[in-house]
Amino acid sequence: EIMMTQSPATLSVSPGGRATLSCRASQFVSNNLAWYQQKPGQPPRLLIYGASTRATDIPARFSGSGSGTDFTLTISSLQSEDFAIYYCQQYNVWPPLTFGGGTKVEIE
Amino acid sequence: EVQLVESGGGFVHPGGSFRLSCAASGFTFGTYEMHWVRQAPGKGLEWISYISSTGGTKYYADSVKGRFTISRDNAKNSLFLQMDSLGVEDTAFYYCARDPGAAIFDFWGQGALVTVSS
Repeated sequence: EIMMTQSPATLSVSPGGRATLSCRASQFVSNNLAWYQQKPGQPPRLLIYGASTRATDIPARFSGSGSGTDFTLTISSLQSEDFAIYYCQQYNVWPPLTFGGGTKVEIE
Repeated sequence: EVQLVESGGGFVHPGGSFRLSCAASGFTFGTYEMHWVRQAPGKGLEWISYISSTGGTKYYADSVKGRFTISRDNAKNSLFLQMDSLGVEDTAFYYCARDPGAAIFDFWGQGALVTVSS
């Protein structure tokens, strides 16, 4: 099973600021990495797949990078609606599909 | 508009059984692979099961293997999760999720809370 580790657990950022979230896989996952956003009381929403491809209707301020074992989600200018929990997920080797533990982006 | 609506959430005693349903609309259900993902209250996401578009291939997480059964009825645009031998550790929101073919989840239901408690 591939373990996914996200850091930091919590990230405090000012509105308009830049957020950089990290995700590390315990084994090589190529670019088979997705990012999801989850707000309280809502299901997750797909943001990024293929490590760097934005999903439909996702704003350009969200960008993903990385390959192999180390990945980054960057939110370039945080809007109020971006404060949420973000999860990474690998789909290179499965079952099982595995998620990271999440990074909470909160208002500084 | 793509919609996934879970039903069947509720309360069950340890050792009991429960069946979740997920009604799909707004897309050709029978051409998509589907998954169940769960989330214990205040915790992270855990993938638990997959079913191919025809229902011929199914996968399970070790945590539910032998206890949970995924199935689908393409004629009724519905996905199911039969959960048996439930334990308190199975208390969670259960989400059905659509897979566009890459083992990712592009649409999710709102979730159904299953609470296992004595």
